[in-house]
Amino acid sequence: QKEVEQNSGPLSVPEGAIASLNCTYSDRGSQSFFWYRQYSGKSPELIMFIYSNGDKEDGRFTAQLNKASQYVSLLIRDSQPSDSATYLCAVMDSSYKLIFGSGTRLLVRP
Amino acid sequence: GAVVSQHPSRVICKSGTSVKIECRSLDFQATTMFWYRQFPKKSLMLMATSNEGSKATYEQGVEKDKFLINHASLTLSTLTVTSAHPEDSSFYICSARETSGRSYNEQFFGPGTRLTVL
Repeated sequence: QKEVEQNSGPLSVPEGAIASLNCTYSDRGSQSFFWYRQYSGKSPELIMFIYSNGDKEDGRFTAQLNKASQYVSLLIRDSQPSDSATYLCAVMDSSYKLIFGSGTRLLVRP
Repeated sequence: GAVVSQHPSRVICKSGTSVKIECRSLDFQATTMFWYRQFPKKSLMLMATSNEGSKATYEQGVEKDKFLINHASLTLSTLTVTSAHPEDSSFYICSARETSGRSYNEQFFGPGTRLTVL
């Protein structure tokens, strides 16, 4: 059974701080990793994807991948109240199916 | 680009009736579409993979006779919930995978359909 694990939170950070979201996965053969943001009652929206070990930066967001440790993280710099949402980590398997974690709820306090 | 629509966005039906949900890729061709279900405060669970021109592949525990999937064209997949019951009430979300090569690994999500069965 392929699994993706996330801490459900809530993770509470003050406005302007760095929010760090973590994810581990069980399938060592996974190659593609995604972070989605989901607001209540809405469908997920893609924030970032990462395929290679190391860091990938896009604006205030940085994804980090460590395949040896089977660990993916998302850093959000200068967190804003509008970043308050549930963040879903997803891993793509060899048949292009996405396996989602349970999500981490982020609260950014003004 | 890469927009996926769903219709209806919200539906309320009586127990025992059938409900059809449409998923359309508006500006790209999608040979593969995915159907997910999400219960309150839970994550997305893949129900089935829909391939254009062939039978859908269902995940373990999903009844194929209850959740009928048809993917008749490269831009349209439908999910029909047959003989719906209150426990089928959920948020149903589709996604489409673009296979033209531009974003071959990315799935584009529709806005979701909120189904309430009374």
